[in-house]
Amino acid sequence: DTEVTQTPKHLVMGMTNKKSLKCEQHMGHRAMYWYKQKAKKPPELMFVYSYEKLSINESVPSRFSPECPNSSLLNLHLHALQPEDSALYLCASSQVGGREGPGTEAFFGQGTRLTVV
Amino acid sequence: RKEVEQDPGPFNVPEGATVAFNCTYSNSASQSFFWYRQDCRKEPKLLMSVYSSGNEDGRFTAQLNRASQYISLLIRDSKLSDSATYLCVVNRNFNKFYFGSGTKLNVKP
Repeated sequence: DTEVTQTPKHLVMGMTNKKSLKCEQHMGHRAMYWYKQKAKKPPELMFVYSYEKLSINESVPSRFSPECPNSSLLNLHLHALQPEDSALYLCASSQVGGREGPGTEAFFGQGTRLTVV
Repeated sequence: RKEVEQDPGPFNVPEGATVAFNCTYSNSASQSFFWYRQDCRKEPKLLMSVYSSGNEDGRFTAQLNRASQYISLLIRDSKLSDSATYLCVVNRNFNKFYFGSGTKLNVKP
């Protein structure tokens, strides 16, 4: 099973709302990621969790708050977002550790298409 | 300097053509290398990992030249369904995946 599941698929929220994006994988991967993708641009890394601990925060504004409750789940809590935060939010997972060879790739969920109004 | 650089295209080719994409990466400490395919409004999907020895999967051949810090993807006998954006991805620093800007391919009938 090489599946990463994200919910919801679509989300419209107001600038004063609080919402959460959810991501789940059952591949035994211990690295999980949040990416943001704007139209016609490549994905931009936001956060990386390794062994359920936050290892990379790419200077993301505090209105985005990640959480990794266990090795299978990753959440992204949203609060007081701006219209420019509207984008496709992608979750991914992979094995921990860099080396060349099979098993090092990242698998992406289908994404949550977020619109902030 | 960008971590990963790709020609954005678009590459417009007829069905049956052979097309090649190139990608360069800036950091020699990069550890693993991939090509992903992304269809419009969909998530990136792994096309193939790229190994130093080169690897082939059906109509797709990927090569890595660590000395030149260069990665390539060759698609033979292009199909209409190959139309997509192809993303070159490099991993270093233990789980930091860097994406190129993507190369758009349009295969025409």
